[in-house]
Amino acid sequence: QVQLVQSEAEVKKPGASAKVSCKASGYTFSGHAMYWMWQAPGQRPEWMGRINVANGDTKYSEKFQGRVTITRDISANTVFMELSSLRLEDTGLYYCARSVGATGEGWFDPWGQGTQVIVSS
Amino acid sequence: SYDLTQPLSVSVALGQAARLTCGGQAITYKSVHWYRQRPGQAPVLVIYRDTNRPSGIPERFSGSNSENTATLTLNSVQAGDEADYYCQVWDGTAVVFGGGTKLTVL
Repeated sequence: QVQLVQSEAEVKKPGASAKVSCKASGYTFSGHAMYWMWQAPGQRPEWMGRINVANGDTKYSEKFQGRVTITRDISANTVFMELSSLRLEDTGLYYCARSVGATGEGWFDPWGQGTQVIVSS
Repeated sequence: SYDLTQPLSVSVALGQAARLTCGGQAITYKSVHWYRQRPGQAPVLVIYRDTNRPSGIPERFSGSNSENTATLTLNSVQAGDEADYYCQVWDGTAVVFGGGTKLTVL
């Protein structure tokens, strides 16, 4: 079955970087874009960016533009999200999610299990 | 930017029907998707393209979309349906989520 497995939780100091991985299985990896979402405690998910897995093209949300980098390793069926210059308010859950359907109308299925990133001094 | 409005909470008695709304300007012209998020778990798709159920989602779940409101209906609500529910659309190339509704089963 289609599955996304993310890396373990991280604790970082302000100003550091966090890099989260998302390993996909059960489908043609290059056939779907992968999105990253951030969810602060008790809040709605927010999209951070996405990668076209086939050609590596990326697009980032305005909120995270300049601090987030999404890459992929096709040989390992894995997508990575790195967030730099971490702030206390970046604490939360980070999810990868497979995009299904056309950009501009598609949905996300499945989601990874989530990776907790805690930013603390 | 495009805003989606969901009621903060909805309570429903066990076995009754729950209707969760998602308001947006002319939302009928957008594809609306719904996700369920149980405590401590990742979101799970329950309805896509307004009315479609993914495999594994019970027939008790249904969706509709008209004018300025999309609706997720859960018939014969069960204790396991207690969760946060989020609607999602696109605003150009940006993903937009509603604020979420906490469904409580009494």
